[in-house]
Amino acid sequence: GESVGLHLPTLSVQEGDNSIINCAYSNSASDYFIWYKQESGKGPQFIIDIRSNMDKRQGQRVTVLLNKTVKHLSLQIAATQPGDSAVYFCAENIGGYQKVTFGIGTKLQVIP
Amino acid sequence: GAVVSQHPSWVICKSGTSVKIECRSLDFQATTMFWYRQFPKQSLMLMATSNEGSKATYEQGVEKDKFLINHASLTLSTLTVTSAHPEDSSFYICSASNRRSQETQYFGPGTRLLVL
Repeated sequence: GESVGLHLPTLSVQEGDNSIINCAYSNSASDYFIWYKQESGKGPQFIIDIRSNMDKRQGQRVTVLLNKTVKHLSLQIAATQPGDSAVYFCAENIGGYQKVTFGIGTKLQVIP
Repeated sequence: GAVVSQHPSWVICKSGTSVKIECRSLDFQATTMFWYRQFPKQSLMLMATSNEGSKATYEQGVEKDKFLINHASLTLSTLTVTSAHPEDSSFYICSASNRRSQETQYFGPGTRLLVL
């Protein structure tokens, strides 16, 4: 079946550098995408979302890029901090339907 | 705003017993609640979707008689793991959404279940 997947299971970055976490999705009908951060032993925390009519959205230190042509989603974190260490999941939603499909997850390790 | 709590945060039980996990939306009315299961180093897998006052919709492969879900009010949903076995040990996470923003799910902190 169609699913959301990630290219890199683990990403290590130096503190202060920028991080880029990638996600590939295969369901062309998906029109809403969300990035979540999950710290160890906790529930997912909403970071940023984007709709399919946009290709870029910026938040505080985070930017999400959407490339519908190649069905690719990325999360960019500027000036990565130790507190950014967590597992990041992309998720997709179709047409306002409430069910959300989660990707595999990427573990971000920030090296002090 | 949009805080979701779960209770208990962790539970250890003997094989064969039943365990109830509560999910509450503290500052909003949750028209829909979701229950997920997450095994170590894996993603969240949706178990079921429940709308207030109606029966839950279970995902394929999830036993509805084993994982009983009740969504009796707009602020509370419960998941009961009946006759728990060691393979049911997992991290159970609920989320909730409201009418205003049905696409947005607010997640609880999770409940870690260990079945001995």
